[in-house]
Amino acid sequence: GAVVSQHPSRVICKSGTSVKIECRSLDFQATTMFWYRQFPKQSLMLMATSNEGSKATYEQGVEKDKFLINHASLTLSTLTVTSAHPEDSSFYICSARDIGGQRGTDTQYFGPGTRLTVL
Amino acid sequence: QKEVEQDPGPLSVPEGAIVSLNCTYSNSAFQYFMWYRQYSRKGPELLMYTYSSGNKEDGRFTAQVDKSSKYISLFIRDSQPSDSATYLCAMSAGKGAQKLVFGQGTRLTINP
Repeated sequence: GAVVSQHPSRVICKSGTSVKIECRSLDFQATTMFWYRQFPKQSLMLMATSNEGSKATYEQGVEKDKFLINHASLTLSTLTVTSAHPEDSSFYICSARDIGGQRGTDTQYFGPGTRLTVL
Repeated sequence: QKEVEQDPGPLSVPEGAIVSLNCTYSNSAFQYFMWYRQYSRKGPELLMYTYSSGNKEDGRFTAQVDKSSKYISLFIRDSQPSDSATYLCAMSAGKGAQKLVFGQGTRLTINP
C-alpha cells in the first residue's frame, strides 16, 4: 500500500517552454500532496503544499506564477513549470499524505521523482 | 543554524557491521520523527516512523528518539550492500499534513 507514482520520470526541454509533471496516489486517496525539489547531494526542499479542491500554499521564495500546482482530484496533483529556464533544472519529487493505512501512520509517501533538464 | 542537522558523510562500513546514523534538531515542537532511505535518482522510501521519545524496532532497523537531547538515531544491524543509499531524517510538529523538515542526508556505503 501507499504507492505514489510520478510521470514523466525524466524530461528534457528547451528554455522558455512549459513542463507538466503528474503525481498520482495509486492505492489511497490523498487530500494533501506536497511538491519538493532536490539539487544534487542536497536534501529535499518543500516548494508547496497542495490540498484537493483549493489553492496551493507556497513556501517562501517559491514563485507561484512559475510553479503552477493543481490538485483536481483525490489521487492526482500536477506541477507545471512555466517558461522553464536552465536554473529550474532539478529533481522534482511529490509526496502524498496517507492517513492511517496498513502501517497505521499518518505521514507522507514519496513518488519516484522527475528529473527536469532545461537546455 | 539549520532546524535539522545531519552529517552528510560519506560513511563507509564493511558488510555485517552495525551502522549508526544520527540527527540533531533545534525545534522543540517536533513530535513526529521519520527516517527515509533514498537510492540514487529515486524518491525517498519511508523506513521508520516514531512519535515522541522512545525506541522502535523493525527487523534490522531500530529508531531512537531522545527529545530531551533533541537527538534521533537510526541503527542498522547486520548491514548489507543493498543498504547502501542516502538516509534522510525528517521531522514535523504534527501529523501527515504538517510540513516535514529534512536533514541533509547521510550517504552510506556497505562494502562486501
